[in-house]
Amino acid sequence: SQQGEEDPQALSIQEGENATMNCSYKTSINNLQWYRQNSGRGLVHLILIRSNEREKHSGRLRVTLDTSKKSSSLLITASRAADTASYFCATPRVANQAGTALIFGKGTTLSVSS
Amino acid sequence: ETGVTQTPRHLVMGMTNKKSLKCEQHLGHNAMYWYKQSAKKPLELMFVYNFKEQTENNSVPSRFSPECPNSSHLFLHLHTLQPEDSALYLCASSHGTSGSGELFFGEGSRLTVL
Repeated sequence: SQQGEEDPQALSIQEGENATMNCSYKTSINNLQWYRQNSGRGLVHLILIRSNEREKHSGRLRVTLDTSKKSSSLLITASRAADTASYFCATPRVANQAGTALIFGKGTTLSVSS
Repeated sequence: ETGVTQTPRHLVMGMTNKKSLKCEQHLGHNAMYWYKQSAKKPLELMFVYNFKEQTENNSVPSRFSPECPNSSHLFLHLHTLQPEDSALYLCASSHGTSGSGELFFGEGSRLTVL
């Protein structure tokens, strides 16, 4: 079953602009993760935010989490053409169960033009 | 290089063929996963293995048969597939009972069923 739902489905911006992607989920979580996928390749982990955290930074990435609204956002600042990819949020299939799989949303396809 | 290697990267097979996908991880992880990624659909979880034991089977048709001989290797045996099974098959691993639940993905095996 689908847990995360990203919004928008597609986003086109110019280099240097910021990109914001949103994710909504349905059930209680202990963490939420964001992944990136270049076309036809495997997914790469970007950042994990725990349920007791509200904001987290990693380089040009900023993730927020609002557990009351069951939503998260990923902000990429000063985007580059190399940021062109699909971005997915993911949540554990079973909260607080070690070794459980992640459930992914449909993703946001980001296109950054130079 | 993510530490998870999938072979073959591309596979074309007829509906009556039998083939296998292979995944190997060099990260010392205890959990391994198969996901299916079809066009315009979210990643679909197929199977989860923890310490070589299958812990999740997401109602996958029996024409897909997983095998996990040890914690480092995972296979997906394919037989009498349908054209709708054409997709990118992604293998991933994680620490399992320890760690944050971050998944490390291989580059995928692109399967085309004729």
